[in-house]
Amino acid sequence: QSALTQPASVSGSPGQSITISCTGTSSDVGSYNLVSWYQQHPGKAPKLMIYEVTKRPSGVSDRFSGSKSGNTASLTISGLQAEDEAEYYCCSYAGRSTSIFGGGTKLTVL
Amino acid sequence: EVQLVETGGGLIQPGGSLRLSCAASGFTVNSNYMSWVRQPPGKGLEWVSVIYKDDRTYYADSVKGRFTISRDNSKNTLYLQMNTLRAEDTAVYYCARTIFGVVPSYFDYWGQGILVTVSS
Repeated sequence: QSALTQPASVSGSPGQSITISCTGTSSDVGSYNLVSWYQQHPGKAPKLMIYEVTKRPSGVSDRFSGSKSGNTASLTISGLQAEDEAEYYCCSYAGRSTSIFGGGTKLTVL
Repeated sequence: EVQLVETGGGLIQPGGSLRLSCAASGFTVNSNYMSWVRQPPGKGLEWVSVIYKDDRTYYADSVKGRFTISRDNSKNTLYLQMNTLRAEDTAVYYCARTIFGVVPSYFDYWGQGILVTVSS
């Protein structure tokens, strides 16, 4: 099973908005509203940012939002801030009690 | 406060075995679903295994038959027994609490990770 497809990198200036896509198949992203997004700073553990496509855990800024259309999920970060610079991973339930991650997207805040 | 602390990593020769531990605090592992996720150096995350509250276990194809997930409720600790290790198993291994609706849904708390290096 191949990883979900994410762009290798995206960039934006402070205050701007960016969107990271996450493309899977009808067997994972397309079949379940169970996409989550994780932020990972260098040398740190991943941090949950979005779960079940659109939900934000307590303590996560409302500048982070998620959506899904068909086999593609998206993470949007509005009002970019320097501390948003990190690697972002999507993840989806993939059936048979398995999960699958995306390859990761490096966000650079210019 | 929820905390997960992995131990047991290190350098191991190909074909060898290693057991990782993940000590939990702030919640009980036996009343939660727990997973292992790994990250090869400089690469992305890969889901490895999950253990359900009823002790059912599931594995990624890449580790099936070689790795075993388990827990010790008395020690509130999750384990990953890794046998017949290969160079491609080299990674930082994270334990993560897994939130389960009807199926495993997402990972809300993660340990700091522990490095396993498989090399001769």
